[in-house]
Amino acid sequence: AQKVTQAQTEISVVEKEDVTLDCVYETRDTTYYLFWYKQPPSGELVFLIRRNSFDEQNEISGRYSWNFQKSTSSFNFTITASQVVDSAVYFCALSEAYEGGSEKLVFGKGMKLTVNP
Amino acid sequence: KAGVTQTPRYLIKTRGQQVTLSCSPISGHRSVSWYQQTPGQGLQFLFEYFSETQRNKGNFPGRFSGRQFSNSRSEMNVSTLELGDSALYLCASSLTGMATNEKLFFGSGTQLSVL
Repeated sequence: AQKVTQAQTEISVVEKEDVTLDCVYETRDTTYYLFWYKQPPSGELVFLIRRNSFDEQNEISGRYSWNFQKSTSSFNFTITASQVVDSAVYFCALSEAYEGGSEKLVFGKGMKLTVNP
Repeated sequence: KAGVTQTPRYLIKTRGQQVTLSCSPISGHRSVSWYQQTPGQGLQFLFEYFSETQRNKGNFPGRFSGRQFSNSRSEMNVSTLELGDSALYLCASSLTGMATNEKLFFGSGTQLSVL
């Protein structure tokens, strides 16, 4: 079965610090997709990134960057120069396909990031 | 374009009661998925509906059920509530339900408290 592990449950940093959120996954599929979602206090999950298993290139989007390493089954997320607005719960997820053309997301337990001014 | 709307935002029930939660997806989206979020178990998949048909169901007891209407709005129902059903229930909508090809858009959830 698919599994996503986010070992850190809570991190607190001071504004402008860099922070890395770890994600380790388990899957028997050769083709799979990994995701990161952000959950601000308002509750809704906000999509950040989707990466397929064939694309191991690191990605950078502004202050956000993602490091995908198939060899260690990890998909880590780094926020550079953190800001108070980055405070949220961050979830790593793995897609799991069902017959009939549907999918679900298997989420890690989430990591609460608090950025203090 | 309006986002995913979930009602009510908060709900308090007592054990043994039943509850119905509602989710209105983004206009044009035909897939609605439901997830339960608790501090202990995290986010767990409940079920997914597409064009009024349940395509998949997670590992939840039969007390959890759902349906989808022709306008893609979805409801989930929990009967004979237990204390452990206290959770944030999130729904997500998308065009086809294929997260590998498109974004899922989540609502803000319904916070259910069972006393």
